[in-house]
Amino acid sequence: QLQLKESGPGLVKPSETLSLVCVVSDYSMISSDYWGWIRQSPGKGLEWIGSISHSGTTYYNPSVKSRVSIAIDTSKRQFSLKATSVTAADTAVYFCARHSPRNWFDPWGPGTLVTVSS
Amino acid sequence: VLTQSPVTLSLSPGERATLSCGASQIVSNYLAWYQQKPGLAPRLLISDASNRATGIPDRFSGSGSGTDFTLTISRLEPEDFAVYYCQQYGNSPWTFGQGTKVEIK
Repeated sequence: QLQLKESGPGLVKPSETLSLVCVVSDYSMISSDYWGWIRQSPGKGLEWIGSISHSGTTYYNPSVKSRVSIAIDTSKRQFSLKATSVTAADTAVYFCARHSPRNWFDPWGPGTLVTVSS
Repeated sequence: VLTQSPVTLSLSPGERATLSCGASQIVSNYLAWYQQKPGLAPRLLISDASNRATGIPDRFSGSGSGTDFTLTISRLEPEDFAVYYCQQYGNSPWTFGQGTKVEIK
């Protein structure tokens, strides 16, 4: 059964880079699925950040596109998120998820809290 | 933009819950519903407006098309008290509603 799990620093300083990794288990990443990142904050609710295919095709939410990059390593069964020049507004719980070819998200990882603070 | 109503729904176990999600643009039937409990990730309930995901009880049903959608829980069980979100995938970027909290009355 497909499982995902996020990992990365829980605290990032303003203006620095946020880096997270999502490990995928019990599932082949080489499929028609995409792999996505979604974040949840009290102020903005749930926000789709971006997604990547197994071949590396990416697409991003325009709201964050200039600061975000997603990469994939299918041999390690993982994909990653980097967000540069973070501010307090990037404080959120970050989830990774399978992004189905029909564009819903299922399942999700448990999430990881990232706080941006000095 | 997706607008969910009401913000909070106070009901008793066994009662029927009706949650609404309105889209500012036509999204056809490209709408999903998720359930989220405190400290957990959202769980997919419904896709394509009315298709239950694997393992979801049949007391959950979805309806609607275009811009107006409804999630109905026919008889609330204790484990159904949670926050429910809709998500549209008719127009990129994919967006979520602000949620409806179903709480015990």
